[in-house]
Amino acid sequence: AQSVTQLGSHVSVSEGALVLLRCNYSSSVPPYLFWYVQYPNQGLQLLLKYTTGATLVKGINGFEAEFKKSETSFHLTKPSAHMSDAAEYFCAVSDRERDDKIIFGKGTRLHILP
Amino acid sequence: GAGVSQSPSNKVTEKGKDVELRCDPISGHTALYWYRQSLGQGLEFLIYFQGNSAPDKSGLPSDRFSAERTGGSVSTLTIQRTQQEDSAVYLCASSPQGTYGYTFGSGTRLTVV
Repeated sequence: AQSVTQLGSHVSVSEGALVLLRCNYSSSVPPYLFWYVQYPNQGLQLLLKYTTGATLVKGINGFEAEFKKSETSFHLTKPSAHMSDAAEYFCAVSDRERDDKIIFGKGTRLHILP
Repeated sequence: GAGVSQSPSNKVTEKGKDVELRCDPISGHTALYWYRQSLGQGLEFLIYFQGNSAPDKSGLPSDRFSAERTGGSVSTLTIQRTQQEDSAVYLCASSPQGTYGYTFGSGTRLTVV
């Protein structure tokens, strides 16, 4: 069965610094991978997704993620953090062996330091 | 509508009472999911409906929880004899098919007192 591990429940970066949120997955079939963002007191919003094709995926708000099969990773990055990026980020994998149900990681809360 | 609609947005109920939470998915989306988000627990899968297939109920935490989806559209999640540990935000999502990612509703915040 598929699973997702997010390293670090809380990550703090300074404004303008690189954002790196780590995600590793396990899957016995080629995965579909997602990052979702949840801003304070709001619902979840799809940030980006990988299904097939190019392994570097660009999303909204300057975020991108790279699918690395050899490392079973799908880390999320942004070159320069902005205060408005403070939110909780969820990595997810589509369980393609079970009707594409999406399995979420436990989330990483990103704090931006002034 | 344009998005996934959930009602009510907030619900406070007394321990032992039954509650019904409603989800109205995006028109035409065949897949509908319920998740529960508790503080520090991330997103917990509850149940999944896909078209006319039998629902995947593997995430329901106890037999007090049930859900139905009428006419392939609106879904209702019912919690019977609520307990304090049921307090959480209940999120609904829909998708044209799972591989494209979900669209989430804003959730129902359930508080059991």
